[in-house]
Amino acid sequence: NAGVMQNPRHLVRRRGQEARLRCSPMKGHSHVYWYRQLPEEGLKFMVYLQKENIIDESGMPKERFSAEFPKEGPSILRIQQVVRGDSAAYFCASSPDRNYYEQYFGPGTRLTVT
Amino acid sequence: AQTVTQSQPEMSVQEAETVTLSCTYDTSENNYYLFWYKQPPSRQMILVIRQEAYKQQNATENRFSVNFQKAAKSFSLKISDSQLGDTAMYFCAFMKQTGAGSYQLTFGKGTKLSVIP
Repeated sequence: NAGVMQNPRHLVRRRGQEARLRCSPMKGHSHVYWYRQLPEEGLKFMVYLQKENIIDESGMPKERFSAEFPKEGPSILRIQQVVRGDSAAYFCASSPDRNYYEQYFGPGTRLTVT
Repeated sequence: AQTVTQSQPEMSVQEAETVTLSCTYDTSENNYYLFWYKQPPSRQMILVIRQEAYKQQNATENRFSVNFQKAAKSFSLKISDSQLGDTAMYFCAFMKQTGAGSYQLTFGKGTKLSVIP
């Protein structure tokens, strides 16, 4: 059973460009969480999605950031007009349903904004 | 809002010795979960151990055990017989179900553990 997959593992963008980060949950999991890890910090919650629904986006910055989890395909975290402060590791985690508290993490995408 | 505090930014331990990592948290909730995650240089987040707040018995997973003191809001991790592969960042994390129905993890800033041969 393949684990949570994220790609790309490393992404370099210039200021002002768009970054798209992908997350494929574990087989059978329909719930995805996104977290951001700034340098020297712990992970911080960004957004929680089910297939085709955003359930909780209380941790998402109000501008430039968006997330989706379509019926088919991976979950996407999109950052428009990136700035240097967006440089971080972005992790997704999946769980099989809403009431299952354990989350399984992917390897993360390291975004560098130059 | 919940907060998680790890007061030891760095620690070291001799191989085969025992080390304890500290974690305290602040919450007004009664039902919640606590976790320790390990992040080796590969950056993969690996679940080490979990504890349900309603359980009085401390969780144990092989060489890893916790000391859960609910009244004191303390959740320390003990690693016995330390191995070189234990070298990593260790994050303490708190989880509860939010009003929106999600299970958000709140992480501490981490403790960098080095196991010395």
